[in-house]
Amino acid sequence: GAVVSQHPSRVICKSGTSVKIECRSLDFQATTMFWYRQFPKQSLMLMATSNEGSKATYEQGVEKDKFLINHASLTLSTLTVTSAHPEDSSFYICSAKRGVVETNSPLHFGNGTRLTVT
Amino acid sequence: KQEVTQIPAALSVPEGENLVLNCSFTDSAIYNLQWFRQDPGKGLTSLLLIQSSQREQTSGRLNASLDKSSGRSTLYIAASQPGDSATYLCAVKRDTGRRALTFGSGTRLQVQP
Repeated sequence: GAVVSQHPSRVICKSGTSVKIECRSLDFQATTMFWYRQFPKQSLMLMATSNEGSKATYEQGVEKDKFLINHASLTLSTLTVTSAHPEDSSFYICSAKRGVVETNSPLHFGNGTRLTVT
Repeated sequence: KQEVTQIPAALSVPEGENLVLNCSFTDSAIYNLQWFRQDPGKGLTSLLLIQSSQREQTSGRLNASLDKSSGRSTLYIAASQPGDSATYLCAVKRDTGRRALTFGSGTRLQVQP
């Protein structure tokens, strides 16, 4: 069964509004979660690394004030797209890493959120 | 900066055929390499993970190889089925620093019945 739950799976919003996407690890503590963005027929691009209890680390070119990340607990990270514009329409997907020590365990991914901004 | 390339970008084969998907990466300092399957509009399903010290991994009809020194990996699918139709992504994890995955652009596979 799924070990990472992402919600909502689809969302349509109007330009200028904000949208929150949740990523939950269901049966393990995730000190680190990663947020990716995927445009149609393209690969996943890392947006930011979310660390529990501290500020997220954003990739170059990703606006931290537009894509707000909160990792307030060991099982939940949220991504808020603020003042959304049509160009923010994309597929957003999170992944979660178990524990702190680096291992060869696969990263677990959520099922993604399809955001459409009209 | 790590770059991951997948060839071909798209592939269409008749059912029953064996096929190979290719993945190359520019920085051989990897921790592991993972192959994923992505169905349209869906998340990722992990297929195989190869540690940097390993040469290959097998799961059912899937076999993934890794040649770390040359920066290459292949995913071999035996006796392909229409249900195998999906996009296949390979991703590498660095062996130091930030441990997010770097993804290739994927190979879109269509298996014709």
